[in-house]
Amino acid sequence: AQSVTQLGSHVSVSEGALVLLRCNYSSSVPPYLFWYVQYPNQGLQLLLKYTTGATLVKGINGFEAEFKKSETSFHLTKPSAHMSDAAEYFCAVTPARPDKVIFGPGTSLSVIP
Amino acid sequence: NAGVMQNPRHLVRRRGQEARLRCSPMKGHSHVYWYRQLPEEGLKFMVYLQKENIIDESGMPKERFSAEFPKEGPSILRIQQVVRGDSAAYFCASSPPGGQGGNTIYFGEGSWLTVV
Repeated sequence: AQSVTQLGSHVSVSEGALVLLRCNYSSSVPPYLFWYVQYPNQGLQLLLKYTTGATLVKGINGFEAEFKKSETSFHLTKPSAHMSDAAEYFCAVTPARPDKVIFGPGTSLSVIP
Repeated sequence: NAGVMQNPRHLVRRRGQEARLRCSPMKGHSHVYWYRQLPEEGLKFMVYLQKENIIDESGMPKERFSAEFPKEGPSILRIQQVVRGDSAAYFCASSPPGGQGGNTIYFGEGSWLTVV
């Protein structure tokens, strides 16, 4: 079975500061990992995904994440926060075969001017 | 290529009525997923369907909720005899067949159900 935990339901950073959103997963099989972003009253938009290959994955809007198997982590980072990054961020996991995608509880990111 | 289309975007129902939410997957996608998002909560998996088959309904409430994905037409999430606790955003997502694309699922804009 797969599960996802996200440390910190709310994270605040100053504009221009580093963004770090944490995600840890558990999976009995090799996982595929995703980060999605949700703006108010909208659906979820895919930021980036890890399937196989390079463990450092680059996504849209300057975000990237690194898959660390030994730590079962897939933390999301961005070097410099922008006001438009304020949103809800969800980490998700699925096994490497057609199956449901399990989401973490989400982290709300606030960016302070 | 149109994205996942959900309708209605907003639906208001009185307690005891039925709610029907529709989802048309992206072109070429044969897998559909429904998730529910309650206020201040994350996304909870409800059901995973392929054409004419329910693959996993482990997240569906045992009563009043049903889902289908017929051979022709959109997927339907049906909630009978709605109660106030059913008020939530319901998101549909779709993915390509056979695990293509790394099981990436693409979301619709959601349907917001309000029960009064």
